[in-house]
Amino acid sequence: AQTVTQSQPEMSVQEAETVTLSCTYDTSENNYYLFWYKQPPSRQMILVIRQEAYKQQNATENRFSVNFQKAAKSFSLKISDSQLGDTAMYFCAFKWAGNTPLVFGKGTRLSVIA
Amino acid sequence: NAGVTQTPKFQVLKTGQSMTLQCAQDMNHNSMYWYRQDPGMGLRLIYYSASEGTTDKGEVPNGYNVSRLNKREFSLRLESAAPSQTSVYFCASSNLAGEWNEQFFGPGTRLTVL
Repeated sequence: AQTVTQSQPEMSVQEAETVTLSCTYDTSENNYYLFWYKQPPSRQMILVIRQEAYKQQNATENRFSVNFQKAAKSFSLKISDSQLGDTAMYFCAFKWAGNTPLVFGKGTRLSVIA
Repeated sequence: NAGVTQTPKFQVLKTGQSMTLQCAQDMNHNSMYWYRQDPGMGLRLIYYSASEGTTDKGEVPNGYNVSRLNKREFSLRLESAAPSQTSVYFCASSNLAGEWNEQFFGPGTRLTVL
């Protein structure tokens, strides 16, 4: 079974600073996708960024970027210029290609401090 | 488009009672999923339906049944609720078309079993 590990249950960062959230996963497959989801207090699951395993270039979405290390099975999320609205739970998730379910990590609670 | 809708948003049950959580999507997606979210556990897959007429067990199916009523609707039933089923339940949907098969989530149902 696939597993996704987020080793940091909680983190905090000062407003405008940069923070990196860690994620590692375990799979023997070669064709898969990785995601970071944000869950604010509203409970809504919001897709932040995604990465295809066959692409070497790291994905970037505005202030959010990933460091994808395929050989190490690592997929960390970097948030630059942190804002108060970034305060949320962040979940790393894995899926195979096709209409397959997501496998989630246990989450990292991020607090952005003014 | 409403996206993925779930009813009810909140529910309190007594041990042994039954109830059905409803989920509907208006995006013409083929696949639908039910997850539960518990503190410190991330989201775990209960059941999913890759296409209309099919359902498969996920990681934590015990105590639940599902029905893919039609392409739009996927319900989750608790026949005899137990306190261990106190959780937040999320429904999601995705489509075969498109590279990512991105999953779209509903707003969640918070269920408390006393």
